[in-house]
Amino acid sequence: SYVLTQPPSVSVAPGQTARITCGGNNIGTKSVHWYQQKPGQAPVVVVYDDSGRPSGIPERFSGSNSGNTATLTISRVEAGDEADYYCQMWDNSSDQVVFGGGTKLTVL
Amino acid sequence: EVQLVESGGGLVKPGGSLRLSCATSGFTFSSQSMNWVRQAPGRGLEWVSSISSRSSYRHYADSVKGRFTISRDNAENSLYLQMNSLRAEDTAVYYCASTLPGGASFDYWGQGTLVTVSS
Repeated sequence: SYVLTQPPSVSVAPGQTARITCGGNNIGTKSVHWYQQKPGQAPVVVVYDDSGRPSGIPERFSGSNSGNTATLTISRVEAGDEADYYCQMWDNSSDQVVFGGGTKLTVL
Repeated sequence: EVQLVESGGGLVKPGGSLRLSCATSGFTFSSQSMNWVRQAPGRGLEWVSSISSRSSYRHYADSVKGRFTISRDNAENSLYLQMNSLRAEDTAVYYCASTLPGGASFDYWGQGTLVTVSS
């Protein structure tokens, strides 16, 4: 089955840029979605279809996807961005949804 | 306002059954695919099952295939998950989530219901 690989943790200082990667075989040919989950809360989609941004999500959140890596970029990081982030896609070969293992973003 | 409210969670013994429900409002339920996603304590998100808007397609994670059944009632704007032969590893918060027409992301989520499988 298809595997999405994320780094367990990423740390960044306030005001800097955080980049969270999601690796997968030829992931650039698939649509990737990103979710933010804060403690005790349900996930929220922050990027859909590689780079789309839902209404209400700050422009600081952006996505890209090419080759074997999809990336969620958070510019001008704020303390409130501290959360777990998950990538997700649909695997056509198995007709199943796949989530990455999640990345904990720490704002220093 | 879009709302998804899960119910039906609780404590169940291994081998037992449970039926989860997800009541929805604020959007055209009958035109959206629906999904169940779970999260074991301290763990990441795990997709469980998805169903198309008219129940034509149902997909399951390998870990639940043959034990869980997803269904929906478009007249009642509700989603269900029948869980049989429950195991300790099924212990998790179960979320329902909707997918907008033509999309593939999980756009709206409920707050989840906790299922605990323990003797």
